[in-house]
Order: sequence, then C-alpha cells, then structure tokens
Amino acid sequence: QKEVEQNSGPLSVPEGAIASLNCTYSDRVSQSFFWYRQYSGKSPELIMSIYSNGDKEDGRFTAQLNKASQYVSLLIRDSQPSDSATYLCAVNINWEYGNKLVFGAGTILRVKS
Amino acid sequence: ETGVTQTPRHLVMGMTNKKSLKCEQHLGHNAMYWYKQSAKKPLELMFVYSLEERVENNSVPSRFSPECPNSSHLFLHLHTLQPEDSALYLCASSQEAMGSTDTQYFGPGTRLTVL
Repeated sequence: QKEVEQNSGPLSVPEGAIASLNCTYSDRVSQSFFWYRQYSGKSPELIMSIYSNGDKEDGRFTAQLNKASQYVSLLIRDSQPSDSATYLCAVNINWEYGNKLVFGAGTILRVKS
Repeated sequence: ETGVTQTPRHLVMGMTNKKSLKCEQHLGHNAMYWYKQSAKKPLELMFVYSLEERVENNSVPSRFSPECPNSSHLFLHLHTLQPEDSALYLCASSQEAMGSTDTQYFGPGTRLTVL
C-alpha cells in the first residue's frame, strides 16, 4: 500500500463549480497534512495545512480531515481556469529519524471556461 | 516565492560532467531538503539537513553528494550522472526538521537534463 494515495485524474470541472480532490494515507499516527498546488513546470506552492479533524476554510479553499478514515480532501469553490494545476497531498509520516513529508503523485485538475 | 532560491534554473550536462546545484533560503529556517521529481512520479526525498547536520538517506546513489555549509545554503554536487537522473530537483526549507507539524516551502527548482 502506498503511503499517500491520490487519484491521478484528470478531474475536469466547469468554471464556477466545486472541485473535490481526495487523498488517503496509511500512517494512522500522522498529525499534519498539507495541500500543495503545482503549475506545469513550476514548483509546489503551499495552499493549506490541516492538523485537526473537521474542516478548515481559507477563501475558496476548504480542507477536510478525517483521521479515523485516514482521509483528507480539498474543496475548491467557484473554480476558475487559473485553478487548473496538479494538486499534491502531503502527509507527515513517522520515519526512523523523526517525521518526513510524503507526497502523493498528485491529481490533475482542469477547469473549463 | 522568493524565500527559497535555486540556481541554475535549467542545466544540461553530459554523463561525464561534474556540476553543482545551489539553494539558498531567506526564511531563517533550520532545516533544508533536496527532492527529486520525475515525470508522473511523486516527489522523492533525497536528503535532509537539520542545523547543518545531514540525515542519512541510503537509497540515494553516491553520484549525488549534498553539502550544507550553513543553515541558509545547500548544495547538491552531481557527477557521472545517468540519463534517468533527468528530473526537476527541488530544494525546500522548514523551521524545524522532521517535526510532526513541519511546513516546507519550496524553491523554483532546477530542471536537469542528462545527455
């Protein structure tokens, strides 16, 4: 089982719709979770971090965490063409030297105008 | 993001060349990282430095050699690379190394092509 799993997509949504991106992870004791956005040819950019069960909202973005189900998601409301990118889920996983950030392969999002 | 800078942005090298990638962070962080991102694969952690001390990562080939002279600078020395080493190499930094709530910030990356 992969440590962090995401559907590779592409996920296509019309402009103005809600995009829902999902991620599952294997380490039950993970405490911190991150969503990064990566445009083609660019480096990952931090969008959201979440540490507690429930929802965390920041503008058009909402991160949702369910530790019992080992599931984290990112909702993007009022999707815009500029949101088209690859979204990377990252989870802090216990490692022999402490914790390390493990990334999923990413979900490609395409917002069509 | 200008907090973490990387040079060069693009590099083409032959298999017998020796080159170095440079990373500098201006965020006052104590930890720095090298990642490799190949096409359609997740980011792979290569090396971690915490307060200039390296955390071993035995899975990385010896043709990659990191150096961290101080907490703001990180280098990746490359020699006798293989074509499969062509990838985007990303540097990142964080306030603390390998903490449970560690947030990492990335530089723009170096696009490396090995001929």
